[in-house]
Amino acid sequence: GDSVTQMEGPVTLSEEAFLTINCTYTATGYPSLFWYVQYPGEGLQLLLKATKADDKGSNKGFEATYRKETTSFHLEKGSVQVSDSAVYFCALSSNDYKLSFGAGTTVTVRA
Amino acid sequence: ETGVTQSPTHLIKTRGQQVTLRCSSQSGHNTVSWYQQALGQGPQFIFQYYREEENGRGNFPPRFSGLQFPNYSSELNVNALELDDSALYLCASSAWTVTDTQYFGPGTRLTVL
Repeated sequence: GDSVTQMEGPVTLSEEAFLTINCTYTATGYPSLFWYVQYPGEGLQLLLKATKADDKGSNKGFEATYRKETTSFHLEKGSVQVSDSAVYFCALSSNDYKLSFGAGTTVTVRA
Repeated sequence: ETGVTQSPTHLIKTRGQQVTLRCSSQSGHNTVSWYQQALGQGPQFIFQYYREEENGRGNFPPRFSGLQFPNYSSELNVNALELDDSALYLCASSAWTVTDTQYFGPGTRLTVL
């Protein structure tokens, strides 16, 4: 079945540092890939998505590239801010009705 | 444009009771999905509703049931509550033509004592 494995946290960074969160997946066919972010006490917000190989999703300075050859969708941001502190979830959808999520990575950015 | 809303925000029940959670979908969306997020884990898919019928279901027992109404809002019902049902319940809506892109509400925090 479909599954997502993402880098375990927690991750603690200083402001303006480079952030990478690794995500790999197992799926049948050609899934769509997503990153969601969850701020404390809130629901999930869609951060970015990619629907086919070599697509790059980007939003708010975050980027992730759909790598079919390595079944990966790593999230990157060049310069993080304190406001980026949150839990980040990698997810996939291979059948149009269900999202399969990773366990989440907690990121804390210190001023 | 109104986003996905859920009610109530928090709920405390005792083991064996029944609970109903409610969700209003984002304007223009006709498909609703429900997820359970246990503490420290990623969300797990419960089921999806489209045109008032269940369109897909995850690995949850039949005591988890749902409804969708003509205005696309939805309810999640859980019978015979167990301690392990304590979680954040998330509702997500999407347009039928792009069901893989789901937009989430703030969730309902259910505590079962």
